[in-house]
Amino acid sequence: QKEVEQNSGPLSVPEGAIASLNCTYSDRGSQSFFWYRQYSGKSPELIMSIYSNGDKEDGRFTAQLNKASQYVSLLIRDSQPSDSATYLCAVNYPNAGKSTFGDGTTLTVKP
Amino acid sequence: KAGVTQTPRYLIKTRGQQVTLSCSPISGHRSVSWYQQTPGQGLQFLFEYFSETQRNKGNFPGRFSGRQFSNSRSEMNVSTLELGDSALYLCASSLVGADYEQYFGPGTRLTVT
Repeated sequence: QKEVEQNSGPLSVPEGAIASLNCTYSDRGSQSFFWYRQYSGKSPELIMSIYSNGDKEDGRFTAQLNKASQYVSLLIRDSQPSDSATYLCAVNYPNAGKSTFGDGTTLTVKP
Repeated sequence: KAGVTQTPRYLIKTRGQQVTLSCSPISGHRSVSWYQQTPGQGLQFLFEYFSETQRNKGNFPGRFSGRQFSNSRSEMNVSTLELGDSALYLCASSLVGADYEQYFGPGTRLTVT
């Protein structure tokens, strides 16, 4: 089992729809969770961080965390073609002092 | 604030050679981490430096090494290059550490022939 697993993708949604990206992790001790967006040929860009159970909203983005079920998700409302990218989930492993990244889910938003 | 910078952006080397990559973190950030990104393996953690000390190391051979200077700038060195070392090498800086919010540089694309 991978330490951080994401939807295998690719995920395709029409413009204006809600895109839902999911991530599960194996270490119950994890305390910090991050979503990064990576456009093709570019480096990852931090878009959301979440530390406690529940929802965190930032503009069109909502991160959801459920530590009991060990999953974190990212919702993108009113998806735009400019949201087309690979989304990486990262989970901190406190004993290792690092974040572990999932393989990413590629999202395509079709006009 | 200026972002994370990496030099060079592109590099072509031959098997057996060595290479040094450089990273300048965001001003005030003392943590610098290095990652290797390949299509097959995703984003793999190499190591993290904080205040000139290596705090954590990933599962890479000893050919991969790094250091950090007193101004937080960091270098990564790969000796005896292999074809499999061809990848995008990313540097990320953080105020706290590699297990919290990180800000990535544009990366160095290394091709080994």
